[in-house]
Amino acid sequence: AQSVAQPEDQVNVAEGNPLTVKCTYSVSGNPYLFWYVQYPNRGLQFLLKYITGDNLVKGSYGFEAEFNKSQTSFHLKKPSALVSDSALYFCAVRDRIGAGSYQLTFGKGTKLSVIP
Amino acid sequence: DTGVSQNPRHKITKRGQNVTFRCDPISEHNRLYWYRQTLGQGPEFLTYFQNEAQLEKSRLLSDRFSAERPKGSFSTLEIQRTEQGDSAMYLCASSLPVTNTEAFFGQGTRLTVV
Repeated sequence: AQSVAQPEDQVNVAEGNPLTVKCTYSVSGNPYLFWYVQYPNRGLQFLLKYITGDNLVKGSYGFEAEFNKSQTSFHLKKPSALVSDSALYFCAVRDRIGAGSYQLTFGKGTKLSVIP
Repeated sequence: DTGVSQNPRHKITKRGQNVTFRCDPISEHNRLYWYRQTLGQGPEFLTYFQNEAQLEKSRLLSDRFSAERPKGSFSTLEIQRTEQGDSAMYLCASSLPVTNTEAFFGQGTRLTVV
């Protein structure tokens, strides 16, 4: 079975400061990893994904994430936070093969608040 | 707008009634997914279609739930004899038939059972 843990329910950061939203995962094989963002009353918007290759993945709106296989982590980062980044962020995993290869398993989400 | 479209956006129903939601995926996407999201939780997988074939169903999908994708295009999710515990956001997503691709989500249908 695959699972995702987002250990922080909420992250507060001052505008202009770097931000990190943490994610760890568990999957039987090699993972595909994703970050999505959800604004109030909106669906999920894709930010970035790790498939293979370079462990540092760059995505939309200046976000990036670092895949660490030994720590089974995929933390989301941004060098300088904007107030408009305030939203709910979800990490998700999908196995490459087998029963879990069609479905995304999401974490519970982390609410990011960027303080002006 | 060429994204995933879901209708209705909101639905309030009385307990025991049946409800049906519709999802129109991105046109070239042959994979379609349904997820359910409750307050304070991440989305949970319900079911998956490749073209018109329903290939995977979660144990969350009780006998009261049924999903169809009759012509491999739009999909419907029906809930029979709704219960208060069915209150949630129902999300539809679609993707290309490539294993490493991301899924694109619609804005969801928020169901409230009173």
